[in-house]
Amino acid sequence: NAGVTQTPKFRVLKTGQSMTLLCAQDMNHEYMYWYRQDPGMGLRLIHYSVGEGTTAKGEVPDGYNVSRLKKQNFLLGLESAAPSQTSVYFCASSWGPAGSYTFGSGTRLTVV
Amino acid sequence: RKEVEQDPGPFNVPEGATVAFNCTYSNSASQSFFWYRQDCRKEPKLLMSVYSSGNEDGRFTAQLNRASQYISLLIRDSKLSDSATYLCVVFLLKTDSWGKLQFGAGTQVVVTP
Repeated sequence: NAGVTQTPKFRVLKTGQSMTLLCAQDMNHEYMYWYRQDPGMGLRLIHYSVGEGTTAKGEVPDGYNVSRLKKQNFLLGLESAAPSQTSVYFCASSWGPAGSYTFGSGTRLTVV
Repeated sequence: RKEVEQDPGPFNVPEGATVAFNCTYSNSASQSFFWYRQDCRKEPKLLMSVYSSGNEDGRFTAQLNRASQYISLLIRDSKLSDSATYLCVVFLLKTDSWGKLQFGAGTQVVVTP
C-alpha cells in the first residue's frame, strides 16, 4: 500500500520561480489537504478539497493555488515563490473531515 | 491566542519511566480530539483518538477534560522508540458543514537510556 505519495521530496527554488507539488493517494479518499509546517507553529492548512473537481481555501492560502482534476491527485502550485514559502509541505487525505488523516512523507522546499 | 496550545518541551524521560503532558484548546464547541505522533523529519501519524471517558492503547492513556478544555497523554514504561513529537489535534465542525482539524505545535519527548 503506497498510501499518500508526494513528489518531489526536496526542492530549492529561486525567488520568483514557479513549481508544482504533486500528491497522489490510492485509498479512494474523498478529502485531500495541503499543509505547511514551520518551527513552533504547527501544521497550517493551505487548501483542501472535499472531492474531485472541488477546492477551497484554508488558513494560509495566499501565494498558492491548487487543482483536483482527478480524485486521486491534488496539486499545489506556487506561481512566484517567495522566501516566506520556505517550509515543509505535507499532503494528507481522509474519508471525512474528522478522524484519521494519512499524510505523505513531505516536501522540503527552500526558496532563496 | 492559539486554538490549540502545547508545551513544546522537551520532556526528558528515563527509559521505563512515566511521562504525561497536556494540551489546551480554546473553542468549547470542539468535538473530537486526537493525538498524532511525528518522528523527526517524518510525517505525522495517528497515535490514538481521545474519548470522553478516557481511553488506553497499550502503554498510552489519553484523557479529556471538557470543563477545563484540555486533553492529556500519559506514556507508561517509556521506550527509546517513544522519542518523538506528540501533536494534539482538535476537530471543530463549522457552520457551513465543513470542519477542520486544528493541530498543536507539538510536545517533544526524549527518552534516554
